Amino acid sequence: DIQMTQSPSTLSASVGDRVTITCRASLTISSWLAWYQQKPGKAPKLLIYKASSLESGVPSRFSGSGSGTEFTLTISSLQPDDFATYYCQQYNNYPFTFGQGTKVEIK
Amino acid sequence: QVQLVESGGGVVQPGRSLRLSCAASGFTFSSYGMHWVRQAPGKGLEWVAIISSNGGDKHYADSVKGRFTISRDNTNNTLYLQMNSLRGEDTAVYYCAKDNSYGGWYLDYWGQGTLVTVSS
Repeated sequence: DIQMTQSPSTLSASVGDRVTITCRASLTISSWLAWYQQKPGKAPKLLIYKASSLESGVPSRFSGSGSGTEFTLTISSLQPDDFATYYCQQYNNYPFTFGQGTKVEIK
Repeated sequence: QVQLVESGGGVVQPGRSLRLSCAASGFTFSSYGMHWVRQAPGKGLEWVAIISSNGGDKHYADSVKGRFTISRDNTNNTLYLQMNSLRGEDTAVYYCAKDNSYGGWYLDYWGQGTLVTVSS
């Protein structure tokens, strides 16, 4: 199985900060990577697919990059609505696997 | 608009069975792959299973293989997860999700989840 490792596990930041979350795959997954945002008690929401494609309706402050085994999610200017937990997921090989999550907290 | 509504969760004893359902609407159900993803209390997301649009191809996480069965009814736009030999570690919120299929198997719509608690 492909292991997905996110860093950091927790991130403290302020409104307006630029935030970067990293996701590493244990094997190459080309660009078959998605990013999701989850708020407490809610279902996850798709932000980015195919490593860098922005899902319709998602603010442009979110961006994704990378290919192969190393990927990043960047929030260019953190907004109050962005405090949440973020997950990466590979969909290159079965079983599809998620990273352990990165919680973005208010500093 | 796309809607996915899970049902069938509840409290069940270890070793027993439970069947979850996911009613889909707002899209052509028979054209898309469907998934189950679960989240144990206070933990991260765990992908559980996928079924292809016509039901002919299925894959599972190692943790549920041989115990869980994913299926679908394209006439009634419903996805199922049959869970047998349940264990305490299966306690989680179970989400059904639709994939994009044509653009890749990322999960573009999710249900609100149904809680399964395995306890004696």
